[in-house]
Amino acid sequence: DVKVTQSSRYLVKRTGEKVFLECVQDMDHENMFWYRQDPGLGLRLIYFSYDVKMKEKGDIPEGYSVSREKKERFSLILESASTNQTSMYLCASLKIGGIETQYFGPGTRLLVL
Amino acid sequence: AQKITQTQPGMFVQEKEAVTLDCTYDTSDPSYGLFWYKQPSSGEMIFLIYQGSYDQQNATEGRYSLNFQKARKSANLVISASQLGDSAMYFCAMREGHAGNQFYFGTGTSLTVIP
Repeated sequence: DVKVTQSSRYLVKRTGEKVFLECVQDMDHENMFWYRQDPGLGLRLIYFSYDVKMKEKGDIPEGYSVSREKKERFSLILESASTNQTSMYLCASLKIGGIETQYFGPGTRLLVL
Repeated sequence: AQKITQTQPGMFVQEKEAVTLDCTYDTSDPSYGLFWYKQPSSGEMIFLIYQGSYDQQNATEGRYSLNFQKARKSANLVISASQLGDSAMYFCAMREGHAGNQFYFGTGTSLTVIP
């Protein structure tokens, strides 16, 4: 069964803290994605990775960085958290072949105080 | 311009009735795929149905069907015989064939099923 997991469901951090959001998939997918979801704005792509150590900026990369050291793990890093980064963060991986749909993790609700 | 437009922020439907959630898209790529996802209050996005731009028939998956009108660039989701468990956010998404692996999402429609 397809599985994407995220390290935390809920996270509370202080302004200026460095924040790590971890995502792990067990499907051997090459492509992984980080989105943030805000009411009325839908899902916006932050970064994606198409292979180990490879990354591409999405639509809103400012204030974020990513790391992909192993195929199954894709990390999102907030170098210095700010209150406007309070959001829901969703990780996804992409199945290639057949119906090429994304599989999502359960999401991390981040609150920055 | 928005790649995916969902104009209905919220919808209500009576249990056991059918409901249509609207989605229009914008692309000049002749090859593309259209997706619908469901997001319950728990937060996880669940893939529902897929329509390829070259598919001749409208996609169906159980109670879900996709009303694909290529000339109008619309890909509406139809849910038949609504159930209370259908209450959720629904997102339409598109992936263009020649633009890599990026997906474009709409802003979503919140569906509430009334008993």
